[in-house]
Parts: sequence; structure tokens; C-alpha cells
Amino acid sequence: SAVISQKPSRDICQRGTSLTIQCQVDSQVTMMFWYRQQPGQSLTLIATANQGSEATYESGFVIDKFPISRPNLTFSTLTVSNMSPEDSSIYLCSVPPGGAIYEQFFGPGTRLTVL
Amino acid sequence: GIQVEQSPPDLILQEGANSTLRCNFSDSVNNLQWFHQNPWGQLINLFYIPSGTKQNGRLSATTVATERYSLLYISSSQTTDSGVYFCAVLMDSSYKLIFGSGTRLLVRP
Repeated sequence: SAVISQKPSRDICQRGTSLTIQCQVDSQVTMMFWYRQQPGQSLTLIATANQGSEATYESGFVIDKFPISRPNLTFSTLTVSNMSPEDSSIYLCSVPPGGAIYEQFFGPGTRLTVL
Repeated sequence: GIQVEQSPPDLILQEGANSTLRCNFSDSVNNLQWFHQNPWGQLINLFYIPSGTKQNGRLSATTVATERYSLLYISSSQTTDSGVYFCAVLMDSSYKLIFGSGTRLLVRP
């Protein structure tokens, strides 16, 4: 498995502002994923963060709203832009460690509340 | 796209009871994982089980890939087992994990 950390663990933000969430892995991984979990719901993939190329976004998610950076093989950021209360969710990053794409492990999550 | 259905949606147990959670999926998959989400929101890996049976302490899981379902067994439940249990499947072509809607478990002392 991999050791995955996220910052911040939680935040309360005002409508219209932006928040950048960091995901750090203790080993180099090819792919990193960002998921959103809205209150009482299941997890939905936002995008795949690829090192050296633009992120790949799922239907319903756009780069202007959720810009992603992947500067190296151990780190990624997700920004939630121009936030509204509907963005209140848990945001999680996940990785398949050791090059084994099939099993994924998740970071502890960032609990975001937008007022 | 592939559909992942979990049952039951909610489950209340008395401490010490056993339970079986089910995950049905609509297409062939190369990976199936079971997760436990604790009350703090953290996802804990329970099993990576594309087929066959695995056991870890009081928990065990069985996936019958040809019949497109997986079962998670919890024996002698404890209050710390409370939380939401998710199954998720991986599609080869996209490496995207598709989650079921979860089973919310409450174990009462």
C-alpha cells in the first residue's frame, strides 16, 4: 500500500472563493485520481491527474471549475474554484501504488463546507 | 455504462450478530474492491477481490465473477464496524473506479 496525505483535512469557506487541496504520496505513482463525495452520497470520479500532461476530466466536471496540477510523480493539487454551497463535499485523492493499477488506496479526504 | 448495486441500503445490528452485504454489477470487471468508510470519512481498504474468497479476521468476501456479484460477510459484529461499506469495480479501459451506493451499517451495543 501507499501512505497518502491530504491538506487541509477540513475547511469552511465563503461562497465565491477558491480552495486548493493537496495530495502527497510517499512513493512515485503514474496515475492519481480525484473523487468527490457529496453529503450522503457515493463517490464520483472528478478527474485523472497525469504527470506531464493535462488532467482527464469526467463528464460533468470541467477544468475551469476544478483545475488540477501534477508537477511530479508524488504530488497533485485540486482547486475548487468560485465555490458555492453545492460544492460542500468530501474530496479524496486515490492512487494505485507500486504500478499495480488494479487496487487503489485513498487519502484521508478533505471535508469542505461552503457557506 | 456499468451499474453497481448494493444491498441492503441500511442495516442495523446488535453487537455480536452476523451479516451479509451484497454487491451486484452489470458487466464483467477486472477488479472489485470493498471499502469501509468510517465516521470520520476515511476510506479503509477491506478487500481487493476480483474473484474467489478471502478472509481477514472477522471479515470475509467472495466474488463470483461469472455471476456478477460479490458478498461481504461480517461475523461477530462490533460497534467499531459501524459506517458505510462500499464496493467499487474497475473498468479496464478507463481505470475508473465505479462505486456502488453503499450499505450504511449501525452496530448497537
